Amino acid sequence: KAGVTQTPRYLIKTRGQQVTLSCSPISGHRSVSWYQQTPGQGLQFLFEYFSETQRNKGNFPGRFSGRQFSNSRSEMNVSTLELGDSALYLCASSLEGTYQETQYFGPGTRLLVL
Amino acid sequence: AQSVSQHNHHVILSEAASLELGCNYSYGGTVNLFWYVQYPGQHLQLLLKYFSGDPLVKGIKGFEAEFIKSKFSFNLRKPSVQWSDTAEYFCAVSLMDSSYKLIFGSGTRLLVRP
Repeated sequence: KAGVTQTPRYLIKTRGQQVTLSCSPISGHRSVSWYQQTPGQGLQFLFEYFSETQRNKGNFPGRFSGRQFSNSRSEMNVSTLELGDSALYLCASSLEGTYQETQYFGPGTRLLVL
Repeated sequence: AQSVSQHNHHVILSEAASLELGCNYSYGGTVNLFWYVQYPGQHLQLLLKYFSGDPLVKGIKGFEAEFIKSKFSFNLRKPSVQWSDTAEYFCAVSLMDSSYKLIFGSGTRLLVRP
């Protein structure tokens, strides 16, 4: 099976712009989670989607949003980019997102905000 | 709030030395525990996980971890490290509270000198 894929892999934006990142889960996986990884804050949970519904959201401002499509692919959007949004954004998938499942991570999208 | 603590942020070892990385979590309920590894330039990969049963779990590449419920700990061990074990190691927990997320520790950077 192909793993979790994320596009694009690298992105450079300027402050104030918006960005959309994409994630394709492992085939058959219906739960998709997003995490932000930074040197200072480590890995922080952004949100989780299952069957096109957001089931949980982390402690991030409303500028961070996401959605999931009927084929389980997910996108996350960050509007009005700030310098502090520079990070590696990781997507993870699992079958149903329950606490007993392993989450499988993609390679990430590295976002640099100038 | 629930949290995961990794006490060692940077560890430097020589090849063949033994490794133990500490991980403690704060949550009184049922948890599942994971160790993930991030090799340089690669995505997060699962090393091992504990769901239930034998508290000593074995993972890939000779790693093992022991769950000590009374100490809220899940320490990672390897009897003899190799240069190829140079990576960042993350401890994570998932909670049986329908939060659908992983809570990560801050990570430990391991450098193995040949």
